[in-house]
Amino acid sequence: GAVVSQHPSRVICKSGTSVKIECRSLDFQATTMFWYRQFPKKSLMLMATSNEGSKATYEQGVEKDKFLINHASLTLSTLTVTSAHPEDSSFYICSARDERGPYEQYFGPGTRLTVT
Amino acid sequence: DQQVKQNSPSLSVQEGRISILNCDYTNSMFDYFLWYKKYPAEGPTFLISISSIKDKNEDGRFTVFLNKSAKHLSLHIVPSQPGDSAVYFCAASMTGTASKLTFGTGTRLQVTL
Repeated sequence: GAVVSQHPSRVICKSGTSVKIECRSLDFQATTMFWYRQFPKKSLMLMATSNEGSKATYEQGVEKDKFLINHASLTLSTLTVTSAHPEDSSFYICSARDERGPYEQYFGPGTRLTVT
Repeated sequence: DQQVKQNSPSLSVQEGRISILNCDYTNSMFDYFLWYKKYPAEGPTFLISISSIKDKNEDGRFTVFLNKSAKHLSLHIVPSQPGDSAVYFCAASMTGTASKLTFGTGTRLQVTL
């Protein structure tokens, strides 16, 4: 199956600093990638849709200036959490849409962010 | 507004028996449905999907049934195996939304020996 990687898998940062998370599709090209956030024992919440070569589309309630998304190539999207605060601590997961299928998305392993 | 719901937060099934996981949705515009399996601290793994033009799709031990009139879908796993123990999410998408998925709240399946 298609492989999506995320880096780092776990990061701890101090309040006020910025953290960058990378999402890569390893064996397929993805013009569209998605960023999700999961709170403990909750569902995955879509934050934004990342489009290669254009601006990301953010879901309602998600601050685009706080969660910067860059999709610079067909295999890489990055999410930068700027000026992180403890409430940003969460499990962030990316997915990439395989162009070979209409809706199938393949997910990365996730990044656990802890802001102290 | 939870458009996709999984009303059973957990389910326990004996090994070898059938596991049935249920999912309900409210938005009639959804036309594609997927099931994902997720282990703790990992990303979801795609299992099986179904288009709204079908009412059943089968792949090995996994079968998904769709009842559009009831806005209900279910995932059947038979026979259940201990390795199936995980959280299962159903997700829905609609044409024209760039494949955006709306996820249910998940059901934790425990397959016991």
